[in-house]
Amino acid sequence: DTEVTQTPKHLVMGMTNKKSLKCEQHMGHRAMYWYKQKAKKPPELMFVYSYEKLSINESVPSRFSPECPNSSLLNLHLHALQPEDSALYLCASSHDRDRVSYEQYFGPGTRLTVT
Amino acid sequence: KNQVEQSPQSLIILEGKNCTLQCNYTVSPFSNLRWYKQDTGRGPVSLTIMTFSENTKSNGRYTATLDADTKQSSLHITASQLSDSASYICVVSARSGGYNKLIFGAGTRLAVHP
Repeated sequence: DTEVTQTPKHLVMGMTNKKSLKCEQHMGHRAMYWYKQKAKKPPELMFVYSYEKLSINESVPSRFSPECPNSSLLNLHLHALQPEDSALYLCASSHDRDRVSYEQYFGPGTRLTVT
Repeated sequence: KNQVEQSPQSLIILEGKNCTLQCNYTVSPFSNLRWYKQDTGRGPVSLTIMTFSENTKSNGRYTATLDADTKQSSLHITASQLSDSASYICVVSARSGGYNKLIFGAGTRLAVHP
């Protein structure tokens, strides 16, 4: 099983709402990632978790709060977002963070619209 | 500055034809290079991954080449199909801050017409 699943597929939220994006993998991977992708742009790294600990935060605003409850799950908590945060949010996982030949497997993404 | 540049930005070809997409990179220190296919609104799917010692790698109708000396890569698609319509992203892995960071190109949007 080389699948990364993400829920929900689509999310529309107001600027005062609190919502969460979920990501799950059962490949035994110990590194998990959140990316943000705007239309016709490449993905931009947001966070990296390694062995359930946050190891990289690419200067992401605090209105995005990641959480890794266990090695298979990754959440992204959203609060007080802005319309410019509307994007495709991608989750990915890899065997670990540091292997040279590691492969990152991406989920299908959550299409977020902030109104 | 680590950069990955792809050309062309977009490409239209007829079904059954071949095409080649280009990727130039200035990434150091280089770990590996991979090509991803991304359908609109979906996550990227890996096609190939190559280290500096690999010159060519195939995955079905997709063949990637890597010239580590000139820092160039290409993705050749043979006998294109309508389902090949997607964005193709060249991604170079760089060792940064103790881990492998992915540097993404902007992608080439391929449209295959019947």
